[in-house]
Amino acid sequence: DAKTTQPTSMDCAEGRAANLPCNHSTISGNEYVYWYRQIHSQGPQYIIHGLKNNETNEMASLIITEDRKSSTLILPHATLRDTAVYYCIVRATGNQFYFGTGTSLTVIP
Amino acid sequence: NAGVTQTPKFRVLKTGQSMTLLCAQDMNHEYMYWYRQDPGMGLRLIHYSVGEGTTAKGEVPDGYNVSRLKKQNFLLGLESAAPSQTSVYFCASRGSGTGSGYEQYFGPGTRLTVT
Repeated sequence: DAKTTQPTSMDCAEGRAANLPCNHSTISGNEYVYWYRQIHSQGPQYIIHGLKNNETNEMASLIITEDRKSSTLILPHATLRDTAVYYCIVRATGNQFYFGTGTSLTVIP
Repeated sequence: NAGVTQTPKFRVLKTGQSMTLLCAQDMNHEYMYWYRQDPGMGLRLIHYSVGEGTTAKGEVPDGYNVSRLKKQNFLLGLESAAPSQTSVYFCASRGSGTGSGYEQYFGPGTRLTVT
């Protein structure tokens, strides 16, 4: 199963872009990269996912390197409500998702 | 749609007591999951189900049992609670298929304390 590595914590100024990196150097060709976030103690919330191409939705953009060994989640204009723990997940074997400890993002006023 | 709901929201048990956590989803999803989250940790998968009448073990299944008698419900049981099972329990569901079908929808969680 592909594992992911993320920084433990990051800060971002309100209104600026937040760029959250994720390393998944052992990813296999048919595995998707997913991003979820968890605000305070709520249930995790899906943000975005991708396979090879860059993806964008109303919440964020996902940039995946050409070799697929790393990716970056971009929140274009971070707000205080984006303060959360962000999880980068590579779909494991079968139907299981493995959540690591994620990156704790703090948006600073 | 209510999405994914969990019952109860909070519970305190004494060591050795039993209880059942109920997860319900109204999205007609095939897959359902039970996770636990300990303080400062990520989510760990306990058990999951790929359809009505089926269950499978996840990463940390010991001390728990599950049942999926109806497609919309997934029950998590603790037969003899232990302090090590103090945690926040999250249920999730997702549809079948590739790509977007793998988006999981999570419930609000159940905070369980075992004394």
